[in-house]
Amino acid sequence: EPEVTQTPSHQVTQMGQEVILRCVPISNHLYFYWYRQILGQKVEFLVSFYNNEISEKSEIFDDQFSVERPDGSNFTLKIRSTKLEDSAMYFCASEELEATDTQYFGPGTRLTVL
Amino acid sequence: QQQVKQSPQSLIVQKGGISIINCAYENTAFDYFPWYQQFPGKGPALLIAIRPDVSEKKEGRFTISFNKSAKQFSLHIMDSQPGDSATYFCAASKSDKLIFGTGTRLQVFP
Repeated sequence: EPEVTQTPSHQVTQMGQEVILRCVPISNHLYFYWYRQILGQKVEFLVSFYNNEISEKSEIFDDQFSVERPDGSNFTLKIRSTKLEDSAMYFCASEELEATDTQYFGPGTRLTVL
Repeated sequence: QQQVKQSPQSLIVQKGGISIINCAYENTAFDYFPWYQQFPGKGPALLIAIRPDVSEKKEGRFTISFNKSAKQFSLHIMDSQPGDSATYFCAASKSDKLIFGTGTRLQVFP
């Protein structure tokens, strides 16, 4: 069964450093998302992406964040200058068609900012 | 308006019992209500979902009950098993992003 994959599974970085989290969505999916889950808390929406542009972004997704689909398969989340409070699990999700509403999540990347 | 409230925060059930998790929403524009199951260290996995044109949906041991007028929906897990022990999130959506509830940690004891 096709699945969303994410790399790395765990990323440790120093405060102020740039990180890039990578996702490979399911191949025929058209809608892509990033969500964040701080330890023990709920999953929070960050950004949605369709047709090579951002559809919607949350208040969390400030100028330090950016997303890109550099080729036909990868979808990346970049944090330009990490803060301690960026430490969280980051989940990528993809959706085949907007009408289905069914989002499939990857296993996540645990980001630890020291 | 965008919040989804979920209760209880944690739930302990005996094997074979019924687990019930409740959610409430405010935004009447929401038209899709999924439940996700999450095991430690894993991503959320879609369990079952419902749209507001039906009041109940059943898949195996999992049932969603939906009350449109009360703006509430619930997940019932029948014959709960130790393997069901996980965190369950309700969510709501009006196309695009999912708004998640705060999660319920379910523990099923043998």
